[in-house]
Amino acid sequence: AQSVSQHNHHVILSEAASLELGCNYSYGGTVNLFWYVQYPGQHLQLLLKYFSGDPLVKGIKGFEAEFIKSKFSFNLRKPSVQWSDTAEYFCAVNAGGNRDDKIIFGKGTRLHILP
Amino acid sequence: DAGVIQSPRHEVTEMGQEVTLRCKPISGHDYLFWYRQTMMRGLELLIYFNNNVPIDDSGMPEDRFSAKMPNASFSTLKIQPSEPRDSAVYFCASSLWGSYNEQFFGPGTRLTVL
Repeated sequence: AQSVSQHNHHVILSEAASLELGCNYSYGGTVNLFWYVQYPGQHLQLLLKYFSGDPLVKGIKGFEAEFIKSKFSFNLRKPSVQWSDTAEYFCAVNAGGNRDDKIIFGKGTRLHILP
Repeated sequence: DAGVIQSPRHEVTEMGQEVTLRCKPISGHDYLFWYRQTMMRGLELLIYFNNNVPIDDSGMPEDRFSAKMPNASFSTLKIQPSEPRDSAVYFCASSLWGSYNEQFFGPGTRLTVL
């Protein structure tokens, strides 16, 4: 069965530290990839997405992610985090690349930034 | 636009009672998704609709769960009878043109079954 793994369940960093959150998926075909973020008390919202083309995708608030097909990975990065990045981050995969294909979410990574 | 609207925001009920969660998607969106979030299992897709028709309900945990979408602006998720293990946050989301497009999430309904 298709799955999405986020290996870091809880990450604590100091402000200005660099961030990388891991995401791996198990599906050998076409995929569309997403990172969503849920700030405290707010709705889940899209951070960035990959459909095709350049495997390095840039999103809002200085985040980026790199799709490495050979590693089935889509890791999220930010060179210098801020206290306001404290949130829960979800990786998601649309396995198949079609509009009716199922989307699968990882279990999420709680990021806590120390001021 | 008001975004995706869910009601109620909080629901506390006793085991065995029927629970109905409601969702109004963003106007014009043709896909609607129901999710359940728990600490143990994360964010699980329960069921999703395209133009009011269920596409995939394989994530619905048991026959106690049912979902309907009678029109483009309203959907319900019903649990009957409810059990303590159903306690979770239930999210509704909508999108335009499919599950490979950005989903817009509602605020969620926090359900507690005693």
